[in-house]
Amino acid sequence: QKEVEQNSGPLSVPEGAIASLNCTYSDRGSQSFFWYRQYSGKSPELIMFIYSNGDKEDGRFTAQLNKASQYVSLLIRDSQPSDSATYLCAVQIQGAQKLVFGQGTRLTINP
Amino acid sequence: NAGVTQTPKFQVLKTGQSMTLQCAQDMNHNSMYWYRQDPGMGLRLIYYSASEGTTDKGEVPNGYNVSRLNKREFSLRLESAAPSQTSVYFCASSERRPGADTQYFGPGTRLTVL
Repeated sequence: QKEVEQNSGPLSVPEGAIASLNCTYSDRGSQSFFWYRQYSGKSPELIMFIYSNGDKEDGRFTAQLNKASQYVSLLIRDSQPSDSATYLCAVQIQGAQKLVFGQGTRLTINP
Repeated sequence: NAGVTQTPKFQVLKTGQSMTLQCAQDMNHNSMYWYRQDPGMGLRLIYYSASEGTTDKGEVPNGYNVSRLNKREFSLRLESAAPSQTSVYFCASSERRPGADTQYFGPGTRLTVL
């Protein structure tokens, strides 16, 4: 079993709708969770991170963490064509500075 | 403030050749990382350096060496390149924030080994 799993997609969402991206992880010692966005041919850029159970909102983005069920999700409200990218979930294990990345979900927003 | 910079942007090598990928950051971060990214594989950690003078292996270290030259610079060396090392290489540095160590990535080096 992979340590961090994401549905590779592609996930297709109409413009203006909510895009929902999911990630599960296997290590219960994981303490911090990150969402990165990566445009084709570019480097990953940090969207947000979360480390407490519940929701964290930043503009149109909301990260949700459920440690008991070992999943983290990213919601994108009012999706725009510029949100079309690959979204990478990453997990930091307690006591370690390393991140473990999922394989990414490719998201396409259709005008 | 340039963030994380990497050179070169593109490189083509023949099997058996050697080369060094350079990475520098100007954000005064202690920790630096080297990843490779292959289609469908996500990012995989090659080596990292928690602080100046220390380096540790990541998930896929075979065929690579690293040097943490000073706090700003972290280089990755391929001694004898193989076609399996064809990939996009990203360098990153991280800062400690409440609750997490957040990593910031350079623009990447696209390497092809023939």
